[in-house]
Amino acid sequence: QKEVEQDPGPLSVPEGAIVSLNCTYSNSAFQYFMWYRQYSRKGPELLMYTYSSGNKEDGRFTAQVDKSSKYISLFIRDSQPSDSATYLCAVNRDRGSTLGRLYFGRGTQLTVWP
Amino acid sequence: EAGVAQSPRYKIIEKRQSVAFWCNPISGHATLYWYQQILGQGPKLLIQFQNNGVVDDSQLPKDRFSAERLKGVDSTLKIQPAKLEDSAVYLCASSPRLSKGDTQYFGPGTRLTVL
Repeated sequence: QKEVEQDPGPLSVPEGAIVSLNCTYSNSAFQYFMWYRQYSRKGPELLMYTYSSGNKEDGRFTAQVDKSSKYISLFIRDSQPSDSATYLCAVNRDRGSTLGRLYFGRGTQLTVWP
Repeated sequence: EAGVAQSPRYKIIEKRQSVAFWCNPISGHATLYWYQQILGQGPKLLIQFQNNGVVDDSQLPKDRFSAERLKGVDSTLKIQPAKLEDSAVYLCASSPRLSKGDTQYFGPGTRLTVL
C-alpha cells in the first residue's frame, strides 16, 4: 500500500469554480501535511502547510486535515486560469530516522479554462 | 534570494551510459535532498544530506546511483550505468535545517531521458 493515494485527474473546471482536491494516507504517524503546486517544467512549490488536524486558510486556498479518516483536502475558491497546474499532496512524520522525507501523492492535474 | 540551481536542465543518454547532475542549494541551507519524479508520479526521495553527511539514503539504488556533497554546499548525483527505467526528472531541494516539510525549496529539475 502506498503511503499517499491521490486521484490523478485530470480535472477541468471553468474560471470561478470551486475546486476540491483530495488525498488519503495510510500511516497515522504522519503529522505534517502539505500541498505543493507544480507548473509544467518547474519544480514543486509549497502552497499550504498544516500540522495535525484542522483547517488552514490562505487567500483563496483552504487546506483541511481529518486525521480520524486519514484524509487531506485542498479547496480553491474563485479558481483562475493561473491556477492551472499539477497539485501534489505530501505528508511527513515528526520524528524518527525518516524525518525530512516527504511522501508525495502522484498529483492531480488541474486546468481552469476562461 | 537566489533559488536552488540545477544543471543540466535536460539530458538524453543511451542505456548503460553514465550521467551526472549538479545542484547548488540556497545559500546557507544545511540540508539538501535529491528526489526522483517519474512521469505521472509524485517525487520520491533518493537521498538526504545534512551538511556533508548522509541522513537518509535508504531509497537510493546504490548499485547504480551515487551522490556526494563535498564541503556541505553543492551536490552531484550520478547514475552509472543508466537503465531505461531511470528516465525521470531529478529534483534537488534544500532547507535551512532538517525539515518537517515546511521549508523544502525545490529547483527546476533535470529531465533525463534514457534511450
